[in-house]
Amino acid sequence: QKEVEQDPGPLSVPEGAIVSLNCTYSNSAFQYFMWYRQYSRKGPELLMYTYSSGNKEDGRFTAQVDKSSKYISLFIRDSQPSDSATYLCAMRRPGGYQKVTFGIGTKLQVIP
Amino acid sequence: GAVVSQHPSRVICKSGTSVKIECRSLDFQATTMFWYRQFPKQSLMLMATSNEGSKATYEQGVEKDKFLINHASLTLSTLTVTSAHPEDSSFYICSAREDTEQYFGPGTRLTVT
Repeated sequence: QKEVEQDPGPLSVPEGAIVSLNCTYSNSAFQYFMWYRQYSRKGPELLMYTYSSGNKEDGRFTAQVDKSSKYISLFIRDSQPSDSATYLCAMRRPGGYQKVTFGIGTKLQVIP
Repeated sequence: GAVVSQHPSRVICKSGTSVKIECRSLDFQATTMFWYRQFPKQSLMLMATSNEGSKATYEQGVEKDKFLINHASLTLSTLTVTSAHPEDSSFYICSAREDTEQYFGPGTRLTVT
C-alpha cells in the first residue's frame, strides 16, 4: 500500500463548477499537508499549506484536513479554465529535514 | 511566495557527457534543498536531500556517483549528471525549504541522445 493515495483522474468539469480533489494517507506521523499545482512541463507551485485538522481558505481554494480519517481535500470554487493543471497532494512528518511524500497527482481539466 | 530558479530549463546532450543543473533560492536562504526526478504521468521521485555545507543524502536506488550534488551556499545547489545515458532523460526539479514550506523550481528537461 502506498503511503499516499490519489486518484490520477483525469477529472473534467465545466467552468464555474466546484472541484473536489482528495488524498488519503496511511502514515499517522504526517502532520504537515500541502497542495501543489503543476502545469505541464513546469515545476509544482505551492497552493496551500496546513498543519492542523479543519479548513483553511485562500481565495477560491479551501484545504481540508481530517487527521482522524487520514483524508485531505482541496476544493476549488468557481473553477476557471486556467485552473486546468495537475494537482498534487503532499505531506510530511515534523522536523526540518523530513522529506515530503507526494501523491501521484490528479489531472484537472476545466472546460469553458 | 518564495522563488526558486533553475538553469538551464532544457538541455540536450550526447550520451557519455556530463550535465550540470543549477538551483537557486532567489529571495531566501535555504538550508535544505531537494532534487526530484519526474517521469511522464508519474509523481515526483525524491533523489536526494542536500544540506548546505554537508554531503547530500541519497534515496535508495539513486547512484551518488552518477548524480553529484553540491550545496555550496545557502542559495545554490547543483546537480551534475555524469556520463549521461538516454535512460537519464527526464524532468529534474529542485526544491528549497524555507522554514516549514517547500518551494519548487521550474524544472529542467534533460534529453540524452
